[in-house]
Amino acid sequence: GAGVSQSPSNKVTEKGKDVELRCDPISGHTALYWYRQSLGQGLEFLIYFQGNSAPDKSGLPSDRFSAERTGGSVSTLTIQRTQQEDSAVYLCASSLVWAGGSGKNIQYFGAGTRLSVL
Amino acid sequence: AQSVAQPEDQVNVAEGNPLTVKCTYSVSGNPYLFWYVQYPNRGLQFLLKYITGDNLVKGSYGFEAEFNKSQTSFHLKKPSALVSDSALYFCAVRDGNNNAGNMLTFGGGTRLMVKP
Repeated sequence: GAGVSQSPSNKVTEKGKDVELRCDPISGHTALYWYRQSLGQGLEFLIYFQGNSAPDKSGLPSDRFSAERTGGSVSTLTIQRTQQEDSAVYLCASSLVWAGGSGKNIQYFGAGTRLSVL
Repeated sequence: AQSVAQPEDQVNVAEGNPLTVKCTYSVSGNPYLFWYVQYPNRGLQFLLKYITGDNLVKGSYGFEAEFNKSQTSFHLKKPSALVSDSALYFCAVRDGNNNAGNMLTFGGGTRLMVKP
């Protein structure tokens, strides 16, 4: 597609419910990132997928958070047993990662999913 | 560990005047530096980056940024501000070390208000 697509754009859920957020990266981008943007914490890295490598999960705030990336393309971020502090905008980004580690990748962001936990 | 500081929560500028949005960083390896802009209810849009080479980097919409290694700064500038430049600006860094991972560390953001 033309850009990173995220769905839904808004999600309202009740405390304790599970939610799934979807990200469709730019076609051909091998790297995919999830970030969270919240009032108190700014923009935080959550998880990073690169090709077939094991994902970097170092930013996930708790074991209630998980993500997968199927077929090297679409990714789903799952939050189990949602809490009010999970309310935030969840941003997905994708990029090319140049071979040889030149790392001149630019991350392109989707519009985000605004999650509200009541 | 890497970090970014944007010391100003908000910058107010009159239209037509030059603007500067400040950013300082800390990273153990070579810094890869980025500026993004966020308009209301939109994702982050890439403005410019510094990887290597000239310290003055030119980007989208007339913005530029100057990398200063000794001051560990990467301030965003524009010679003449437009009302439409009003938005939230984020500075970000990643460690250029190949094994450091590709995730970005963001500053807290600076809201730019350009008044007519």
